[in-house]
Amino acid sequence: DAGVIQSPRHEVTEMGQEVTLRCKPISGHNSLFWYRQTMMRGLELLIYFNNNVPIDDSGMPEDRFSAKMPNASFSTLKIQPSEPRDSAVYFCASSFTEQGTEAFFGQGTRLTVV
Amino acid sequence: AQKITQTQPGMFVQEKEAVTLDCTYDTSDPSYGLFWYKQPSSGEMIFLIYQGSYDQQNATEGRYSLNFQKARKSANLVISASQLGDSAMYFCAMRRTGGGNKLTFGTGTQLKVEL
Repeated sequence: DAGVIQSPRHEVTEMGQEVTLRCKPISGHNSLFWYRQTMMRGLELLIYFNNNVPIDDSGMPEDRFSAKMPNASFSTLKIQPSEPRDSAVYFCASSFTEQGTEAFFGQGTRLTVV
Repeated sequence: AQKITQTQPGMFVQEKEAVTLDCTYDTSDPSYGLFWYKQPSSGEMIFLIYQGSYDQQNATEGRYSLNFQKARKSANLVISASQLGDSAMYFCAMRRTGGGNKLTFGTGTQLKVEL
């Protein structure tokens, strides 16, 4: 299995532009998580899905952020419009929902908004 | 609500020595899982070890062991025989068991292994 695949690995964009981050979870996993990591705030859970349904989006910072999971093999995190304070590493992770199963992380997308 | 606390922002250990990274947690759920992840400077998140709240024995995975003290709500990671490659950020995490529950992380501990 190729693991969790995120794209792009790096993204540099200008303030005000729309940014879309993509994630392909491990086949068969039914939970998907989006995290944001910064030096100041550490690893924050933004949103997670179970069986393609958003369960908890309380970590999404504001309306500029949105996430979708149209099917079991694909999810997107969109920022529109982007701001410099959105600069961070964004991780996608997937897992089974059963007890005792760890989440597997993608390599992350390093976003820089200038 | 779940909360994970890692009070050691940084730790140093000499090569071949053992080191303990602290983790305490707060939850009202009776059933939960505890995880440790390693994040080297390259940035990826690597799963190390898991402990279930009802597991009778402490989890072990090679040089990693988890010192689980349920009454104290602590789940410390012990790394034996430290190696230079163990230098990394280490995160403790918790997940309530059951269907589709979120995985909550602590703030991490930066470990530096020295010669």
